[in-house]
Amino acid sequence: GESVGLHLPTLSVQEGDNSIINCAYSNSASDYFIWYKQESGKGPQFIIDIRSNMDKRQGQRVTVLLNKTVKHLSLQIAATQPGDSAVYFCAERDTGNQFYFGTGTSLTVIP
Amino acid sequence: KAGVTQTPRYLIKTRGQQVTLSCSPISGHRSVSWYQQTPGQGLQFLFEYFSETQRNKGNFPGRFSGRQFSNSRSEMNVSTLELGDSALYLCASRWTGEYGYTFGSGTRLTVV
Repeated sequence: GESVGLHLPTLSVQEGDNSIINCAYSNSASDYFIWYKQESGKGPQFIIDIRSNMDKRQGQRVTVLLNKTVKHLSLQIAATQPGDSAVYFCAERDTGNQFYFGTGTSLTVIP
Repeated sequence: KAGVTQTPRYLIKTRGQQVTLSCSPISGHRSVSWYQQTPGQGLQFLFEYFSETQRNKGNFPGRFSGRQFSNSRSEMNVSTLELGDSALYLCASRWTGEYGYTFGSGTRLTVV
């Protein structure tokens, strides 16, 4: 089956610094990836996605990088703000359109 | 437009009881999935429904079941509750399999 793992369960950054959250996936056939943000008491919220035919995609203050060679996904948050404090999940979609989620990385922004 | 709505937000049940959770997807979304979230376990897939048919099922015992109605609303049921069933149950909908999910805020189930 799939396994989606995160390198670090927790990450603390200073406000204003850039954050990088990493994710490893195991299925080389996965063709679509999403990063979600989950704040306390809420459901996961879509941040950004990327398809397997791309290696980089940028949004507002966020960038997702995909390295298919090593099956690695990362989320970069520029100028991290206190409101960015949350748990971040990566998800991969297999060829059966089924999504698999990692356990999450907890990001804490230090003012 | 309205997001994914889950009811109730909180539930406390005793072991052995059963529980039904409800989910109303985003209007137009025909696919509804359910996930169980526990600390340290991440999101564990329960099942997915599309047009009233179960399309995929995760690795959960038969005590966990679900259904989808013609208006795409979905319910999940857990019978003979165990302490380990305490979790946040998330419902998510999507337009088709080509897209990612929109999640509801979840139902927090506590089994005592």
